[in-house]
Order: sequence, then structure tokens, then C-alpha cells
Amino acid sequence: NAGVTQTPKFRVLKTGQSMTLLCAQDMNHEYMYWYRQDPGMGLRLIHYSVGEGTTAKGEVPDGYNVSRLKKQNFLLGLESAAPSQTSVYFCASSYSTESEPPLGSTDTQYFGPGTRLTVL
Amino acid sequence: GQNIDQPTEMTATEGAIVQINCTYQTSGFNGLFWYQQHAGEAPTFLSYNVLDGLEEKGRFSSFLSRSKGYSYLLLKELQMKDSASYLCALSNDYKLSFGAGTTVTVRA
Repeated sequence: NAGVTQTPKFRVLKTGQSMTLLCAQDMNHEYMYWYRQDPGMGLRLIHYSVGEGTTAKGEVPDGYNVSRLKKQNFLLGLESAAPSQTSVYFCASSYSTESEPPLGSTDTQYFGPGTRLTVL
Repeated sequence: GQNIDQPTEMTATEGAIVQINCTYQTSGFNGLFWYQQHAGEAPTFLSYNVLDGLEEKGRFSSFLSRSKGYSYLLLKELQMKDSASYLCALSNDYKLSFGAGTTVTVRA
């Protein structure tokens, strides 16, 4: 049981390049989330999904797109990277309909290890 | 909106007690979480409060007062491995809103 995994772990892009970050979870969770974490600003929600085939905007969605074609995967895309998108990106998942939550509540989110992205 | 405020940094001595406060202004939320995040790692769940009062888990305790818009995380018998950032978060509609986090440094 790997939990939440993210690829890649590190990436350096030039301004204007595109890339996709992949998040996968094996906990059969319904909800998945993408955050960015910047110094002094905490975790900010970019986009989230409440089920396969559905996505919604979070607090800071501009410049990003997402897709959730399979329940276990949530992809974050940057179409034209900008230096302001230099950050650490975390994926998280929550809420299984099949079992009681082991920690806290059904709202408890489990995080992946993060992707450190630098845009030059 | 949900303004969530935490102190930026705290320093304490090994074996001591530290209390991290979290204040918020919001119209409503389901519960309050505390996460621990070591440098370069993912946040991990520490505690959850849905009702007012104290939740105790070993060396860690968390308190919530909804009427005062206030929570705290209490770390007892501090160990060097407790040096980390501690994130306060409010849950609403399965989304979490995080404070900026408090970095705790434990000195020998």
C-alpha cells in the first residue's frame, strides 16, 4: 500500500515550457487535491476533484489545468510555465466510501511526497 | 474567507512544553486539523477536533474553542525529532484551508 505517490520529484523548466505532474493513490479515495506551497504562505489549493471525471477550481487555479480520467490518478498540467509557478506541489487524497477513516475523519487528507518545480 | 493565523516561529528546549496557537475568522467549518511537516517532506496528520475541548494523543494534545475562534496544539516532553512545521487547517465541504504554519525548533 503505497498511499499517495507523485512523479516527478524534481523538475526544472524554462519559461514557456509545458509539463504534467502525475499523482496516484491506491486507497480508493474519492477526492483528490493539488496544492502549492510557498515560503510564508502555507498550502494553497489549486484544483480539486470529488470523483472520476470531475474537477473544480480552488484558491489559485490560474495557469493550471487538471484531469481525472481514472479514480486513482489526478494530473496537474502547466501549459506555459512562468517563474511565478516555481514552488513545491503537493497532491492529496481523502474520503473512502468503503471503510471507516483510520485517522481523524473522512475529511482527513493524505499527502504525497511533493514535486519541487523550478521555472527559469 | 477563512483568515487563519499562527505564529511564524517558536523555539523551545528538549524536554520542555510548547503551545502553538491558531486563531481564525470564519463563518463555519466542519472541524480543525493539525498537521506536522518536517523540512522537505509531506504534511502528516496529527490531530482533529470537531467538538470544543481537548483531544489527547500521547505527547500531543489539541484544543478547540469554536466560540473564541481559537485552537492550540500542545507538544509535551519535546524531542529533537519534533523540530518541524505545524500546520493548522479548517475543513469545510471536504476542502482544507491552511494557515501559513509554525516552525518549531527544539534545542538541546
